[in-house]
Amino acid sequence: DAGITQSPRHKVTETGTPVTLRCHQTENHRYMYWYRQDPGHGLRLIHYSYGVKDTDKGEVSDGYSVSRSKTEDFLLTLESATSSQTSVYFCAISGAETDPYEQYFGPGTRLTVT
Amino acid sequence: DAKTTQPPSMDCAEGRAANLPCNHSTISGNEYVYWYRQIHSQGPQYIIHGLKNNETNEMASLIITEDRKSSTLILPHATLRDTAVYYCLAGYSTLTFGKGTMLLVSP
Repeated sequence: DAGITQSPRHKVTETGTPVTLRCHQTENHRYMYWYRQDPGHGLRLIHYSYGVKDTDKGEVSDGYSVSRSKTEDFLLTLESATSSQTSVYFCAISGAETDPYEQYFGPGTRLTVT
Repeated sequence: DAKTTQPPSMDCAEGRAANLPCNHSTISGNEYVYWYRQIHSQGPQYIIHGLKNNETNEMASLIITEDRKSSTLILPHATLRDTAVYYCLAGYSTLTFGKGTMLLVSP
């Protein structure tokens, strides 16, 4: 299995509080992604990174920011959590320069915003 | 990214081949076809991908029609552990996951 960990694995937080989710990889892969998964919507891309300090928005980026200060870590921040951000969050990595869509996923973080 | 269409669910007997279809009639020339699966509550797992030619790896085979408008993922000898949601994706810039096919493998 690809060396991807996500922390925390479960979190309950209150509306309006900031939340940071961490994705850590030991594969030295260039590309990293954050997705959210909700019933009825499947997996949706939030943000992705194609290198240190290089990030871009995905399909559902509003309300989220990301940072990547080193190759192994990709942080997802909810500046002020809302109940609509209750979801399961998956991080993914990819290393192939010519084929970045062969992605390997982490175990997920279940976030509940009350 | 091209839109893909998959049946919502399929059944397969253990030990038999599971053939999962996918329609991607709007696929463009540089878009690959990817297959992933997701076992309940786990992260999605990459299975296989292809552009034009048929592909095989240790997990599955991918058959792409000559016009590239559809493909079939084949699990040659399905086991109970293959019960999962299978996603067919077509893309080049980013991947869009639809609702997939829920494959139930029964004894």
